[in-house]
Amino acid sequence: GDSVTQMEGPVTLSEEAFLTINCTYTATGYPSLFWYVQYPGEGLQLLLKATKADDKGSNKGFEATYRKETTSFHLEKGSVQVSDSAVYFCAPAAGGSYIPTFGRGTSLIVHP
Amino acid sequence: DAGVIQSPRHEVTEMGQEVTLRCKPISGHNSLFWYRQTMMRGLELLIYFNNNVPIDDSGMPEDRFSAKMPNASFSTLKIQPSEPRDSAVYFCASSLKENTEAFFGQGTRLTVV
Repeated sequence: GDSVTQMEGPVTLSEEAFLTINCTYTATGYPSLFWYVQYPGEGLQLLLKATKADDKGSNKGFEATYRKETTSFHLEKGSVQVSDSAVYFCAPAAGGSYIPTFGRGTSLIVHP
Repeated sequence: DAGVIQSPRHEVTEMGQEVTLRCKPISGHNSLFWYRQTMMRGLELLIYFNNNVPIDDSGMPEDRFSAKMPNASFSTLKIQPSEPRDSAVYFCASSLKENTEAFFGQGTRLTVV
């Protein structure tokens, strides 16, 4: 089945630092790829997505590019803010089932 | 739309008791998912419904867990009898089959003592 490997957290950064959270996946076929974010005490919400190879998803200053050749979908942001502190989940969803597959997520802590 | 609505938000129960978690998906969505989140195991898919029919329940941990979706606007996850190791946050999510984004509820934090 589908699976995802994310870097272990927590990732601790100072405000305005550059962020990269690595994500690699295994899936049958050509899945859509998603990043979700979970703020404290809340459910997950979609951050960005890409549906085919070389697509770039972007939202709120975050970006991720669908790299089919390396099966990766790394999340980046040029300048993080304290309000970006949350848990981030990379999730592939194979085309036939549309079931998002999650892992443990990566906790991001941003200090002022 | 109010989004996916789960109840209760918090539940504390004694070991051996029956627990029922409830979910109202977004109107018009025809896929519904129940997930369980713990520190150790992360976010695990328990069961997936499509058009009210259970499609994949391979993630349901054991027979103590059961889920139903009697209609398009309501689903329940029941644990009977509950055990302390069932303590977790349980999320319900829904999506359109044509749109793969999943919309999550706020979750139910279950504590079994």
